[in-house]
Amino acid sequence: QKEVEQDPGPLSVPEGAIVSLNCTYSNSAFQYFMWYRQYSRKGPELLMYTYSSGNKEDGRFTAQVDKSSKYISLFIRDSQPSDSATYLCAIEATYNFNKFYFGSGTKLNVKP
Amino acid sequence: DGGITQSPKYLFRKEGQNVTLSCEQNLNHDAMYWYRQDPGQGLRLIYYSQIVNDFQKGDIAEGYSVSREKKESFPLTVTSAQKNPTAFYLCASSRGTGAQPQHFGDGTRLSIL
Repeated sequence: QKEVEQDPGPLSVPEGAIVSLNCTYSNSAFQYFMWYRQYSRKGPELLMYTYSSGNKEDGRFTAQVDKSSKYISLFIRDSQPSDSATYLCAIEATYNFNKFYFGSGTKLNVKP
Repeated sequence: DGGITQSPKYLFRKEGQNVTLSCEQNLNHDAMYWYRQDPGQGLRLIYYSQIVNDFQKGDIAEGYSVSREKKESFPLTVTSAQKNPTAFYLCASSRGTGAQPQHFGDGTRLSIL
């Protein structure tokens, strides 16, 4: 079983839609959770970083962590064509030199 | 602006040749990492370094080598022993290794001639 599972998509939505991106993880010891956005031929860019259960909001982005279900989500409100990218979830294992486990990424296309 | 610079953006390797990918950061970060990204796969860790003059193998270190002589620099050499080197290589850094997010460069795409 992979440490982190993420649906690869692609996910196609109309402009203005609410987007929900999700990951599941296997180890309840994981504590820190991140979402990265990666445009084509670029490196991943950190979007959200959280370590607790519940919601964290930043502009149009909301990160949600449910530790009881080992499930993390990223919501994008009022999606824009500029949001079209691949979104990677990442989890930091503080018990293992703080190793990062990355999802394989979900490709999002927001149509104008 | 602070950041991570990877060069070159594109690199071509001939059979039997070693090539070196550059990674420089001016974020004053202690930890640096090299990842390999293949289509449809998550990032896989090649090597990491938590401090100058020290580095450890990641999950797929075979066929690669690194050095960490300066805090700012963490070059990766792809040796001829790496039989499938075609991939997108990403360098990252973090302030330390304890609840610190990693920040990435814009990658080097390596292809075989």
